[in-house]
Amino acid sequence: DADVTQTPRNRITKTGKRIMLECSQTKGHDRMYWYRQDPGLGLRLIYYSFDVKDINKGEISDGYSVSRQAQAKFSLSLESAIPNQTALYFCATSDRNRDLGDEQFFGPGTRLTVL
Amino acid sequence: AQTVTQSQPEMSVQEAETVTLSCTYDTSESDYYLFWYKQPPSRQMILVIRQEAYKQQNATENRFSVNFQKAAKSFSLKISDSQLGDAAMYFCAYRETSGSRLTFGEGTQLTVNP
Repeated sequence: DADVTQTPRNRITKTGKRIMLECSQTKGHDRMYWYRQDPGLGLRLIYYSFDVKDINKGEISDGYSVSRQAQAKFSLSLESAIPNQTALYFCATSDRNRDLGDEQFFGPGTRLTVL
Repeated sequence: AQTVTQSQPEMSVQEAETVTLSCTYDTSESDYYLFWYKQPPSRQMILVIRQEAYKQQNATENRFSVNFQKAAKSFSLKISDSQLGDAAMYFCAYRETSGSRLTFGEGTQLTVNP
């Protein structure tokens, strides 16, 4: 009963291809995030959304775009994939109404390889 | 901009022993949150422990505890009675009180030897 799901879990694509990573959540949270993880760099924020009409760039948004189709769905697109976008991608959610430090809940990750 | 630094790329500990993972951060804010996340080989990110900067008392969760030194901007994680299941990548993370963005450190890979 995964609360935050990501599809696909693994993907291999070629340089120049357009690819979409999808995230869905059943936690009822209003805030959603996309991160990428690279060895030795930790996780870095790509985009985040506080609600359907509020989307913000993170620290490494170049080469990426997002769409918040509904409160429960947040997609990340690579318009023209390049090899240095090979990474592990995480979606996360949080609830602004919680008073416990706004913990973020992570999906299982998508391993993306761009050849 | 806030930065989080984990200076130990790798650590190892014997089963049942205690290990401490280091984390330092840089911020001009006075109120914020600090977190330790665990990432086992399954890749899942799991929250281990949380500390609110305005609380002087160090957070504790069973075998996990932190040493929060606000003036030194240091936030170390102590794992007592280490178990094989503690083997994972550990990430330190920072969040401002007024925002939701997490800033992560580089991670420390912990090995637990039987």
